[in-house]
Amino acid sequence: SQQGEEDPQALSIQEGENATMNCSYKTSINNLQWYRQNSGRGLVHLILIRSNEREKHSGRLRVTLDTSKKSSSLLITASRAADTASYFCATEKTGANSKLTFGKGITLSVRP
Amino acid sequence: DAGVIQSPRHEVTEMGQEVTLRCKPISGHNSLFWYRQTMMRGLELLIYFNNNVPIDDSGMPEDRFSAKMPNASFSTLKIQPSEPRDSAVYFCASSPLGPRNTIYFGEGSWLTVV
Repeated sequence: SQQGEEDPQALSIQEGENATMNCSYKTSINNLQWYRQNSGRGLVHLILIRSNEREKHSGRLRVTLDTSKKSSSLLITASRAADTASYFCATEKTGANSKLTFGKGITLSVRP
Repeated sequence: DAGVIQSPRHEVTEMGQEVTLRCKPISGHNSLFWYRQTMMRGLELLIYFNNNVPIDDSGMPEDRFSAKMPNASFSTLKIQPSEPRDSAVYFCASSPLGPRNTIYFGEGSWLTVV
């Protein structure tokens, strides 16, 4: 099964509202990343948060990580129609030869 | 700087035909990845290379799939013979720091096997 599971699967909001997306995972991790995918395009890296960090900001993005609950959230503030995309969390498990494992993604629709 | 370059962007082929997907990673990146994306299974890692050497091919579905990286600037993913269930988007990605860090994706090769 996927290491990272995003929630909700789909989210529709009005422009200007905040969008909150969640990711849960099962095993200990070294880091967690969020990626964005516009329709018909490749994934683009948004932000990386390490296991010893609790919160990170990048522009209108805020990511939190709670390792005790094995969960992360991605908050997009003051959403825009251009934020419409799929968002994926990816986790890197601890241990040798580990690699990133992606969830199935959240489809965000921002209505103008 | 150019990103990861994949070709072809779109391919429609008949069942049983050989398919070759190509990838040029970002210059200086020493890790290269092949992913497959479908609605049902999401994004799956097929294989990754470090310094042109295959490190983990546990995601390669079966013997019909093979990948090569003859040099640091080129990789291929081959499917022979192709089947309709291979229809998917195949992404190549590269990373300067290995599989644990930020990965840079190409735009994907959209494969349809009829």
